[in-house]
Amino acid sequence: EPEVTQTPSHQVTQMGQEVILRCVPISNHLYFYWYRQILGQKVEFLVSFYNNEISEKSEIFDDQFSVERPDGSNFTLKIRSTKLEDSAMYFCASRGGTRSPNEQFFGPGTRLTVL
Amino acid sequence: AQKVTQAQTEISVVEKEDVTLDCVYETRDTTYYLFWYKQPPSGELVFLIRRNSFDEQNEISGRYSWNFQKSTSSFNFTITASQVVDSAVYFCALRGLTQGGSEKLVFGKGTKLTVNP
Repeated sequence: EPEVTQTPSHQVTQMGQEVILRCVPISNHLYFYWYRQILGQKVEFLVSFYNNEISEKSEIFDDQFSVERPDGSNFTLKIRSTKLEDSAMYFCASRGGTRSPNEQFFGPGTRLTVL
Repeated sequence: AQKVTQAQTEISVVEKEDVTLDCVYETRDTTYYLFWYKQPPSGELVFLIRRNSFDEQNEISGRYSWNFQKSTSSFNFTITASQVVDSAVYFCALRGLTQGGSEKLVFGKGTKLTVNP
């Protein structure tokens, strides 16, 4: 069963540093997403990406955030200058396969800790 | 605006008990999808079910069943004969289907289920 993968599983960084979170979506999917979950809270939408451009973003996704699909397989989330409040679990998701075109399948998450 | 409410923050049951997790939603979309995801202690989000707003048939999958009632905007999830491995946080989520509308999933705050041996 194909699945979404994410690396690293845990990233620790100092405040003000740049981080790049990496995701490999399911190979035949066309729509890609990032969500985040602050510890103990609900999952929140950050951004959706389709056809090599952002299709929607939330108010959380400010100028410090960017996404990129640098090649045919990776989908990255960059945080330019991390803040303490960026500490969270970041989930990548993808959808659009022929078997289950409407389900968003989530990766295992990257836990980001900003010190 | 879309909203999902899971009023039960935590539920604790003893193994083999049945348990129902409540989900109430709000949306202005006339068509939409509803989802349930499971988040075990390891942290990943596991897709359980999707339900279309135009299909009010209830669904059963093994020990899991879902009751969708459009009249009360509810999409409740029942686990029959619960097991310790069912211990997790369960999230209900909503996605509108307006043409050209939002792709995002709107999640509830989750219900933490603990099944004790």
